[in-house]
Amino acid sequence: DQQVKQNSPSLSVQEGRISILNCDYTNSMFDYFLWYKKYPAEGPTFLISISSIKDKNEDGRFTVFLNKSAKHLSLHIVPSQPGDSAVYFCAASEWSSNTGKLIFGQGTTLQVKP
Amino acid sequence: GAVVSQHPSRVICKSGTSVKIECRSLDFQATTMFWYRQFPKQSLMLMATSNEGSKATYEQGVEKDKFLINHASLTLSTLTVTSAHPEDSSFYICSARIAAAEGEKLFFGSGTQLSVL
Repeated sequence: DQQVKQNSPSLSVQEGRISILNCDYTNSMFDYFLWYKKYPAEGPTFLISISSIKDKNEDGRFTVFLNKSAKHLSLHIVPSQPGDSAVYFCAASEWSSNTGKLIFGQGTTLQVKP
Repeated sequence: GAVVSQHPSRVICKSGTSVKIECRSLDFQATTMFWYRQFPKQSLMLMATSNEGSKATYEQGVEKDKFLINHASLTLSTLTVTSAHPEDSSFYICSARIAAAEGEKLFFGSGTQLSVL
């Protein structure tokens, strides 16, 4: 049972354009969502997060949008840069349960072409 | 951000041997650490929750006798893969939890690539 899904395994974008990575979840108890960036053979690096009381959070070139009714979130990167090329994972947790567990999606490989 | 150090970064061992992986929080105390495993082109799967001073909590399907977790101090958790077999070959990642104002964050170690021959 995949509670967090990233249905696009890969995405290719031209440098300077917008990258949109999507994530869907099924568990309505999730109330905190995070995006991580990962390079091969390295641990994930935290990018940005959003709690369920918000529908948008912005940090520099990165913006995360949350649509609770659709159980959908997306990460927008604008403008995209070649250095953004990596695997992006969305993750969800039940912050209110205080367990700290994160459930990850399968990841989306982003390639930004110069 | 917070730093989580994980060692070794890569291990190649023979089948039947045991391998220990260390995870340290360098500039903060972590009462809770998590161990994840990632197979190629798959998601990070939570294996267990490591709690300082108590037994680890394992996820369904993870053999606690095979994957021994010890969280002896507030800055160190270890994962020992006992009697490793080729199917245990994977990328193992630890993380430490920090509670923040808006919600908690997990900071990850750099991972350990285990190859069992």
